[in-house]
Amino acid sequence: DAGITQSPRHKVTETGTPVTLRCHQTENHRYMYWYRQDPGHGLRLIHYSYGVKDTDKGEVSDGYSVSRSKTEDFLLTLESATSSQTSVYFCAISESKTSGVQETQYFGPGTRLLVL
Amino acid sequence: AQTVTQSQPEMSVQEAETVTLSCTYDTSESDYYLFWYKQPPSRQMILVIRQEAYKQQNATENRFSVNFQKAAKSFSLKISDSQLGDAAMYFCAYRTGGAQKLVFGQGTRLTINP
Repeated sequence: DAGITQSPRHKVTETGTPVTLRCHQTENHRYMYWYRQDPGHGLRLIHYSYGVKDTDKGEVSDGYSVSRSKTEDFLLTLESATSSQTSVYFCAISESKTSGVQETQYFGPGTRLLVL
Repeated sequence: AQTVTQSQPEMSVQEAETVTLSCTYDTSESDYYLFWYKQPPSRQMILVIRQEAYKQQNATENRFSVNFQKAAKSFSLKISDSQLGDAAMYFCAYRTGGAQKLVFGQGTRLTINP
């Protein structure tokens, strides 16, 4: 199994409060991703990182920010949580080969977030 | 935009039998990758199998195999000798060669009957 941990695993918070989720990897992979999973939508990409301090938006990035100051850590922040951000959040990692093609994405265990 | 469709929200099969899960996708790209992920009740996303579009040979991993029909844009998963541990949500996913994101289908819930 890929060495990916997420913290916290469960969180309950109130609308309007800031929330930070952490993804930590021990694989030294270049690429890291944040997805959210909602019923009927599968998983959707929020943000991803292609190196330290290098990030880009996914398809559902509104209301989220990310930071990556070290290869092993990728943080997802909800600046002011809303009920629509209640979801299960997954981190994933992948490594690029010398050809430049990214390898398969491997997922962390997920964080269940409830915004009341 | 690329889309992935899993038309079977739920499937069930008797233990030891074979089941096929369907997936179709829409793309104009020629270089892409297809994946099946399994999500058991623990919610962990587990890679089951992957297929590179440029490979004509269907991928196989033990009891799991795919039927990749590139012209039809179809990528079905066959599970042989189904086991109780195969019970899970199964997601089909697509990625272009240069893109950073996986595009997922809505999932198929597979039940194994003893």
